[in-house]
Amino acid sequence: DGGITQSPKYLFRKEGQNVTLSCEQNLNHDAMYWYRQDPGQGLRLIYYSQIVNDFQKGDIAEGYSVSREKKESFPLTVTSAQKNPTAFYLCASSIRGMGEAFFGQGTRLTVV
Amino acid sequence: QQQVKQSPQSLIVQKGGISIINCAYENTAFDYFPWYQQFPGKGPALLIAIRPDVSEKKEGRFTISFNKSAKQFSLHIMDSQPGDSATYFCAAISGLASSGNKLTFGGGTRVLVKP
Repeated sequence: DGGITQSPKYLFRKEGQNVTLSCEQNLNHDAMYWYRQDPGQGLRLIYYSQIVNDFQKGDIAEGYSVSREKKESFPLTVTSAQKNPTAFYLCASSIRGMGEAFFGQGTRLTVV
Repeated sequence: QQQVKQSPQSLIVQKGGISIINCAYENTAFDYFPWYQQFPGKGPALLIAIRPDVSEKKEGRFTISFNKSAKQFSLHIMDSQPGDSATYFCAAISGLASSGNKLTFGGGTRVLVKP
């Protein structure tokens, strides 16, 4: 089945730790996105990538980093510099320039 | 700077009623306007979408109305059902490479359909 897979579904981070969220797609999409969603809030863009080896900062990139070494993969690292990382993280992909984005099921990150 | 403004933040409708969600945008380069539906704990799923050369698009009980001159578009859910209870997001994107091709979302509307 084609789709986007995010892992893990739940993740717990200690203060000062870096954690990496995985996002893999087999839809052959060029564009991939990371969004953050806080309770009762909308989706805020963290980073996005239109092609391999290229990515741009979104609206709230501070404290996060990404890589795009393969078309299928767009991992997000939440660094210790992100002071309030507890949130629901969503990865999406689309044909470049198209709005028909497909989302993964999300990773819920909690700082303990 | 919110490029897509969505209202209301929440609404309650009786079963069988009409749910109406409105969005307004600023960037005239936007040329594709999708709507997404999200259930709690899940990722959003594409519901329906429209391009600005069309004033209305209907798919089942869901209809998008588009007003290009006013830079506004809306989602109507006809004959609302309890299973429609979810959060709905409007979005916009420009196909121009110079715009970054990024999908911009509205703030979301939480819809509750009472039986």
